[in-house]
Amino acid sequence: GAVVSQHPSWVICKSGTSVKIECRSLDFQATTMFWYRQFPKQSLMLMATSNEGSKATYEQGVEKDKFLINHASLTLSTLTVTSAHPEDSSFYICSARAQGGQTQYFGPGTRLLVL
Amino acid sequence: GENVEQHPSTLSVQEGDSAVIKCTYSDSASNYFPWYKQELGKRPQLIIDIRSNVGEKKDQRIAVTLNKTAKHFSLHITETQPEDSAVYFCAASRGGSQGNLIFGKGTKLSVKP
Repeated sequence: GAVVSQHPSWVICKSGTSVKIECRSLDFQATTMFWYRQFPKQSLMLMATSNEGSKATYEQGVEKDKFLINHASLTLSTLTVTSAHPEDSSFYICSARAQGGQTQYFGPGTRLLVL
Repeated sequence: GENVEQHPSTLSVQEGDSAVIKCTYSDSASNYFPWYKQELGKRPQLIIDIRSNVGEKKDQRIAVTLNKTAKHFSLHITETQPEDSAVYFCAASRGGSQGNLIFGKGTKLSVKP
């Protein structure tokens, strides 16, 4: 149980394009999902927290207009990197948490490379 | 702001020895402390967690201890095996309704056969 999927697993795009990443909880309802980015050999940096049906809460320094988050259902959250630039290249990982729980289950991550 | 310090950043042990990783946190409202194992290029996997009303928890070769007064918690791995080699992250929940996790910087554990 507690499986989280992420799609795509990797993406290469040109500078200026937008990229959408999907995060799905496969066997449980995720009232809260989290989006992280991870640079090589570094820790997980929380970008934003999204609750189903409400606006995401962004961490300080994260541009909400650049990283659009939608959590329209209890099993799906999306992160859209708008007008991507090379400095946005990173490993993006989502996690999901069930209502009333504290455990976060992570997706497999999406590796983004912006040329 | 909230902070989680993790030490050491790298740890090398011989197979069969024990490994200990320590973390300290700053938010006195933190009440949940998970540990994750991440292999290269893969997702973090929860290996053990502890809540603030418990001082110690054990699961086979893995144990976690928590000292709320001192605001530190530790991961103990006994009888290490080469497959334990990975990066380990500690985390502490942030106080408040969201309960976000603040992660330590990670410890790269290498177990030499």
